[in-house]
Amino acid sequence: AQSVTQLGSHVSVSEGALVLLRCNYSSSVPPYLFWYVQYPNQGLQLLLKYTSAATLVKGINGFEAEFKKSETSFHLTKPSAHMSDAAEYFCAVSDGRSSASKIIFGSGTRLSIRP
Amino acid sequence: DSGVTQTPKHLITATGQRVTLRCSPRSGDLSVYWYQQSLDQGLQFLIQYYNGEERAKGNILERFSAQQFPDLHSELNLSSLELGDSALYFCASSVEGGGLEQYFGPGTRLTVT
Repeated sequence: AQSVTQLGSHVSVSEGALVLLRCNYSSSVPPYLFWYVQYPNQGLQLLLKYTSAATLVKGINGFEAEFKKSETSFHLTKPSAHMSDAAEYFCAVSDGRSSASKIIFGSGTRLSIRP
Repeated sequence: DSGVTQTPKHLITATGQRVTLRCSPRSGDLSVYWYQQSLDQGLQFLIQYYNGEERAKGNILERFSAQQFPDLHSELNLSSLELGDSALYFCASSVEGGGLEQYFGPGTRLTVT
């Protein structure tokens, strides 16, 4: 069964520093991988998705993620953190392509930005 | 704005009561998903409907039920409420099932007192 593991429930970086949020999926290559962001008191918003078309995926707000099959990873990065990036980030994986397929969410990583 | 609407935004009720949460998916989306988010359990998938039919079940309690209507809106019914049911309940929709990206509504915050 598909699963994702997010390393670090809380990450703190300084404004302007590199943001790196880690995500590893289970060993079988999933059809789709996603990163979602949740700002306080809001629903989840899709940041980017991997659909096997390209291993480096660019998303909104300057974020990008790289699919690495050899490492079963899909880490999220942003070169320079802004205060507005403070939020909870969820890595997610689809468990198939059928109409009954689900998205499995990781436990989330809370990103804090230090001034 | 994801295009998914949920009502009500907040709900406060007492233990033992029953409530109904409503969700309207994005225009054109056939699949609706319900999730529960709490501090101790994280984001839990409850149930999926596709074009009116139940397609997948997750960690949904027997006290909870859902349905999707012909106009594709969905309702989540929570009965015999317990303090532990206090949580954020999200609805999401997607064009089809198939593990494609889902678009989330703003959520309903349920407080059981």
